[in-house]
Amino acid sequence: DQQVKQNSPSLSVQEGRISILNCDYTNSMFDYFLWYKKYPAEGPTFLISISSIKDKNEDGRFTVFLNKSAKHLSLHIVPSQPGDSAVYFCAASTLSSGSARQLTFGSGTQLTVLP
Amino acid sequence: DTAVSQTPKYLVTQMGNDKSIKCEQNLGHDTMYWYKQDSKKFLKIMFSYNNKELIINETVPNRFSPKSPDKAHLNLHINSLELGDSAVYFCASSQDLLVQDEQFFGPGTRLTVL
Repeated sequence: DQQVKQNSPSLSVQEGRISILNCDYTNSMFDYFLWYKKYPAEGPTFLISISSIKDKNEDGRFTVFLNKSAKHLSLHIVPSQPGDSAVYFCAASTLSSGSARQLTFGSGTQLTVLP
Repeated sequence: DTAVSQTPKYLVTQMGNDKSIKCEQNLGHDTMYWYKQDSKKFLKIMFSYNNKELIINETVPNRFSPKSPDKAHLNLHINSLELGDSAVYFCASSQDLLVQDEQFFGPGTRLTVL
């Protein structure tokens, strides 16, 4: 039972255009959401996050949108660059038992930005 | 200067063997984690340690035993390896248990059980 779902395993976008990566979740206890980026043979690296009290967070070319009623978040990259080609993981956080924060990850979306 | 390092990067071994993966972080973080990335690419939490104490232990066979000699190290020992243990294992750290923000990940260890 996957609580965080990324239904598109891959996405190709032309350089300079917008990339939109989507993520859906089922657990209404999630109160913090993050996006991680992963290059081959490396660990995931943090990209951007959003608290459940907000609906938008922007950092340079990256913007994350949260729609709590739809339990949906998206990552917009504009303009897309070839160096953005990577696997993007959506993650959601809640306080687990023992008062520890725990991340639940989606399965990732491979973004390819074509020059 | 690597923040979170893991050794080895690749590990190929036979079924039934015992193996260890080492993890070290130089960020001064209090909390460390082990994740398993399975064949479907999901990253799943296995263990979480805070200041050398086990905090989260998901449903993981007891053949997996984490060991934290100090808060900068969290090693993963696996006994009696099985084919289904083949995966990429990631170590990660965060400032503390309650931090909402980023976890820092190591480069991963690809374990192949033959």
